[in-house]
Amino acid sequence: EPEVTQTPSHQVTQMGQEVILRCVPISNHLYFYWYRQILGQKVEFLVSFYNNEISEKSEIFDDRFSVERPDGSNFTLKIRSTKLEDSAMYFCASMRGNFYEQYFGPGTRLTVT
Amino acid sequence: AQKVTQAQTEISVVEKEDVTLDCVYETRDTTYYLFWYKQPPSGELVFLIRRNSFDEQNEISGRYSWNFQKSTSSFNFTITASQVVDSAVYFCALSSDFTGANSKLTFGKGITLSVRP
Repeated sequence: EPEVTQTPSHQVTQMGQEVILRCVPISNHLYFYWYRQILGQKVEFLVSFYNNEISEKSEIFDDRFSVERPDGSNFTLKIRSTKLEDSAMYFCASMRGNFYEQYFGPGTRLTVT
Repeated sequence: AQKVTQAQTEISVVEKEDVTLDCVYETRDTTYYLFWYKQPPSGELVFLIRRNSFDEQNEISGRYSWNFQKSTSSFNFTITASQVVDSAVYFCALSSDFTGANSKLTFGKGITLSVRP
């Protein structure tokens, strides 16, 4: 069964550095998302992406965040000038089309020290 | 604004007991989707069910069943004859936009279910 994959599973970075989190969505899916979950808290929406542009973003998704689908298969989340409070599990999700459900990847645990 | 409330934070049951996880939602939209996701200790989010606002029929899938009541804005999840493998965090979520481009999920805080042998 096709699944969403994410790399790396765990990323440790120093405050102020840039990180790129990578996702490979399910191949025939058209809509892509990033969510984050701070340890022990609820899952929060960051951004949705469709037709090579951002559809919606939350207030968490500030100017330090960006997304890209560089080659038709990967979907990346870049965080510049990382802060301690960026430490969280980041989930990528993809959806086939309207009226379908989102499938989530296994997550990347980001630790900012 | 959308909101999902899962008032229960932790539930502990003994194996084979039935358990119901509550979910109450708020939305001003007349059309919306409701979801349940499971997050086992390994951390991934596993899709369990999607229900649209037009369909209030209850659904059963094996030991799992869902009760959707628009009148009380609730979408409760029951596990019958619970098993240790059901131990996980369960999230209820809401999407108020049927068009994929803006169909973000709003999650509740989750319910931690522990099933003891």
